[in-house]
Amino acid sequence: KQEVTQIPAALSVPEGENLVLNCSFTDSAIYNLQWFRQDPGKGLTSLLLIQSSQREQTSGRLNASLDKSSGRSTLYIAASQPGDSATYLCAVRPYSNYQLIWGAGTKLIIKP
Amino acid sequence: DVKVTQSSRYLVKRTGEKVFLECVQDMDHENMFWYRQDPGLGLRLIYFSYDVKMKEKGDIPEGYSVSREKKERFSLILESASTNQTSMYLCASSPQGGQDSNQPQHFGDGTRLSIL
Repeated sequence: KQEVTQIPAALSVPEGENLVLNCSFTDSAIYNLQWFRQDPGKGLTSLLLIQSSQREQTSGRLNASLDKSSGRSTLYIAASQPGDSATYLCAVRPYSNYQLIWGAGTKLIIKP
Repeated sequence: DVKVTQSSRYLVKRTGEKVFLECVQDMDHENMFWYRQDPGLGLRLIYFSYDVKMKEKGDIPEGYSVSREKKERFSLILESASTNQTSMYLCASSPQGGQDSNQPQHFGDGTRLSIL
């Protein structure tokens, strides 16, 4: 059974730092891996989607990598800003269906 | 831009009531999903639908039912609300196949439901 783990559960860093959020999964038979952002009391916003054949995707200050063989993905945030404060969730889509398997998220706080 | 609209941001109901949560998407997506999100438990899938009138149980379907009479609308029904159904409910949609199959799920803003 696929399991997705995100470490750490919470992270607090000063503004301007580069940081890495981690996501690991137990079954490498995935169709894609997705990173989302959730602001308090709101829905989820898609940040990046990495297809199983890809190694990384970039959007602005965000870069997500995927290593299927080791069951790991990282979300790199460059030059962090207070507006980046949110909970970041990763999810994998198995080959077998349309459902996503979710991690519990990392709550990120960027201190001004 | 895809827009997923949930009918209420906040809802307060009493135990035993029948509760309807509505979700509408405007991008002609085949797939629609209902999740609940609770502190410490993350997102859990209640039901999803991959076509009109089609539904599949997710991880926690007990106490819930769904309806998809039109492609753009997916309703979640609490048949007899109980206090343990107090939660944040999130609706999402995504396209199904072909070159769109690697598109992300798009979420509504959520409905925070309190059962008293």
